[in-house]
Parts: sequence; structure tokens; C-alpha cells
Amino acid sequence: QKEVEQNSGPLSVPEGAIASLNCTYSDRGSQSFFWYRQYSGKSPELIMFIYSNGDKEDGRFTAQLNKASQYVSLLIRDSQPSDSATYLCAVNNLGTNAGKSTFGDGTTLTVKP
Amino acid sequence: KAGVTQTPRYLIKTRGQQVTLSCSPISGHRSVSWYQQTPGQGLQFLFEYFSETQRNKGNFPGRFSGRQFSNSRSEMNVSTLELGDSALYLCASSQGTNQPQHFGDGTRLSIL
Repeated sequence: QKEVEQNSGPLSVPEGAIASLNCTYSDRGSQSFFWYRQYSGKSPELIMFIYSNGDKEDGRFTAQLNKASQYVSLLIRDSQPSDSATYLCAVNNLGTNAGKSTFGDGTTLTVKP
Repeated sequence: KAGVTQTPRYLIKTRGQQVTLSCSPISGHRSVSWYQQTPGQGLQFLFEYFSETQRNKGNFPGRFSGRQFSNSRSEMNVSTLELGDSALYLCASSQGTNQPQHFGDGTRLSIL
């Protein structure tokens, strides 16, 4: 089992729809969770981070965390063609792996005009 | 504020050579992490440095090494290069443990 798993893509949604990206992790001690967006040929850029159970909203983006289910998701509302990219989920564990981020393989999102 | 700067952007080497990559973190960031990204393996953690100390290391052979200087700048060295080392090498900095990371543009290394 991979330490961080993301829903297999590619994911395609029409412009204006909600895109839902999911991520599960195996380490129950994980304490911080990050979503990055990576355009083709570019480096990852930070979109959201969340530390506590519940929802965290930033503009069109909402991160949701459920530590009991070891699940973190990213919702993109009113999806735009410019949101088309690969989305990476990353997880940190302060205790056993301080300083190490474990990434999922990413989900490629295509938003069709 | 300047972002994370990696040099060089592109590098072509032959098998058996060694290479040194450089990373200058965002001012004030003391943690620097290195990752290898390939199409087949995704983003793989190499190592992380904080205040000149390596705190964590990924599952890479000893040919991969790094260091961090007192000004937080970091270097990564790969010796005895192999064809499989062809990849995008990314550096990321953060203010500290558990903080979001910010990535540089990467160094694309090609081994002939």
C-alpha cells in the first residue's frame, strides 16, 4: 500500500463545475496536509494547507480533512480551463519523519470549456 | 520577496560523472528539501536539511548526498551518474517543520 494515494485520473469536468480531488494516507500520525498544483513543465505551487479536521476555504478552493478516516480532499468550485493541471497531495508527520513530505502520484484534472 | 532559486536550470552529463546542484531558499526559510521527479515514479523525497543538519533521508543510494550552509543555501551532489538519474530535481524551502513548502523551478538533469 502506498503511503499517500490519490484518486486515479485523469479527471475531466466541464467549465463551471465542481472538481473533487481525493487523497488517503496510511500514517495515522500524520499532522499536516498540503495540496499543490503542477502545470505541465513547471514546478509544484502551493494551493492549500490544512492541519485540523474540517473544512478550510480559500476563494474557489476548499480543503477537507478527516483524520479518523485518514482522508483529505480538495474541492474546486466554478472550475476554469486554467485549473487544468496535475494536483499533488502531500502529507507530513512531525514525530517520526520531521522534515519529510510524502507526496501522492497526483491527479490530472482537465477542465473543458 | 525572491522565491526559491535553483541553478543550473538544465544540465547534460554522461554516465560516471558527478554533478552538483544548488538551491537558494526564500529569505528566512531554514528548511530545505530535495526531491526527484520522474514520469514513472512521481515526486520522491531525497533529503531535508534544517539549520545545516540533515533531519531525514529518502530511499536513495549513497551516491546522492547534500549539505546546507550557514546561510541556508543548499547543495545536492550525485556521484557516478547513471542513466536512471535523468530527472527533474526540485528544491523546496519552508520556514520550518510542518510549514508549507515553496518549490524552485528545478534542475532538469539529462544523462547520456
